[in-house]
Amino acid sequence: DAGVIQSPRHEVTEMGQEVTLRCKPISGHDYLFWYRQTMMRGLELLIYFNNNVPIDDSGMPEDRFSAKMPNASFSTLKIQPSEPRDSAVYFCASSLDRGRNTIYFGEGSWLTVV
Amino acid sequence: GENVEQHPSTLSVQEGDSAVIKCTYSDSASNYFPWYKQELGKRPQLIIDIRSNVGEKKDQRIAVTLNKTAKHFSLHITETQPEDSAVYFCAASISLDAGNMLTFGGGTRLMVKP
Repeated sequence: DAGVIQSPRHEVTEMGQEVTLRCKPISGHDYLFWYRQTMMRGLELLIYFNNNVPIDDSGMPEDRFSAKMPNASFSTLKIQPSEPRDSAVYFCASSLDRGRNTIYFGEGSWLTVV
Repeated sequence: GENVEQHPSTLSVQEGDSAVIKCTYSDSASNYFPWYKQELGKRPQLIIDIRSNVGEKKDQRIAVTLNKTAKHFSLHITETQPEDSAVYFCAASISLDAGNMLTFGGGTRLMVKP
């Protein structure tokens, strides 16, 4: 398997623009996670899905952030409108169901909002 | 919810020496403790994990110990090499039907000097 695939790898956008980050989890994995990593706050869980259903979105910072998982092989994280403080690395990760806790991360999407 | 504290935040050792990173967690129900290594500009990758039914686990030069009574666990790297230089994250989770939510520590930047 190619692992968790994220796109874009790097994005520079202007404040106020919409940003869409994409993720393809490992085939057969039931759980999908979106994490944000910054120097100040470390690795933060934003939201996770189980079988395409959002289970916990309490980590989503505000209404400007939204995430969807229309099918088992695709998820998006959208920021609208983007702000400079959203600049971070956004990781998507996936894992099998309970009993197999190993979480596999994608390469990350490096977002810079200017 | 779970809170994971990790120490030290930075660690510098001479090549060949041992390195120890310690984590404490708050929720006594946590039963899965993975360690991730993140090289500069790369994704976090699982290097070793331990479940609550064992006290120690080894894999070549790395080992993890768990003290459930004291609610702390440690990563031990022996015979360190320059390629061990990276940021290491500990994490804890409760394996519930609701999913495999990991709470990460703040990370330790390990520098191995040749």
